[in-house]
Amino acid sequence: ETGVTQSPTHLIKTRGQQVTLRCSSQSGHNTVSWYQQALGQGPQFIFQYYREEENGRGNFPPRFSGLQFPNYSSELNVNALELDDSALYLCASSGTSGSLNEQFFGPGTRLTVL
Amino acid sequence: GIQVEQSPPDLILQEGANSTLRCNFSDSVNNLQWFHQNPWGQLINLFYIPSGTKQNGRLSATTVATERYSLLYISSSQTTDSGVYFCAVTDDKIIFGKGTRLHILP
Repeated sequence: ETGVTQSPTHLIKTRGQQVTLRCSSQSGHNTVSWYQQALGQGPQFIFQYYREEENGRGNFPPRFSGLQFPNYSSELNVNALELDDSALYLCASSGTSGSLNEQFFGPGTRLTVL
Repeated sequence: GIQVEQSPPDLILQEGANSTLRCNFSDSVNNLQWFHQNPWGQLINLFYIPSGTKQNGRLSATTVATERYSLLYISSSQTTDSGVYFCAVTDDKIIFGKGTRLHILP
């Protein structure tokens, strides 16, 4: 069974640029959630995708957007990057078998905005 | 929205000691998970425990949903237990607490 993978592992961007982060869900999972974790804080929920549709959103502005593909992999896009967007971005997948909504996390992408 | 509070915020223990971490939540929840975040940032699933008690080796967890709290017990601590422990609950979205930072001294 393949776990959740994310790419890239690290990324450095400058303010105003755009970034795309990628996530492959665990085998058999159809739901992907994205989180932002600032240094010393708990992860903050950005949004969730279920069967290619956004299925819930946290308190993040519209410049944070996402996609889910037919194979259930997902992208997080952030436009007009700000310094405060520097964080660890975590992706989690969950499925319809076993414990519903149990989240399994990828290793994260560490984004630095200069 | 639901508030999730974890205590204590920081805990320093000698190897071999036992510890209890607490997660309080302000309203009814559908799900509750405990995670361990290692120094590289990876969140590792410990328990999916919306109610009841579960055990896995030296770790166990209890959630009393009617009283809106969950406890994570770590027995005979090892240095590899160091890191941050998070609980996360779900109502219409997933909410994490701020975590308990555990440091086990050799």
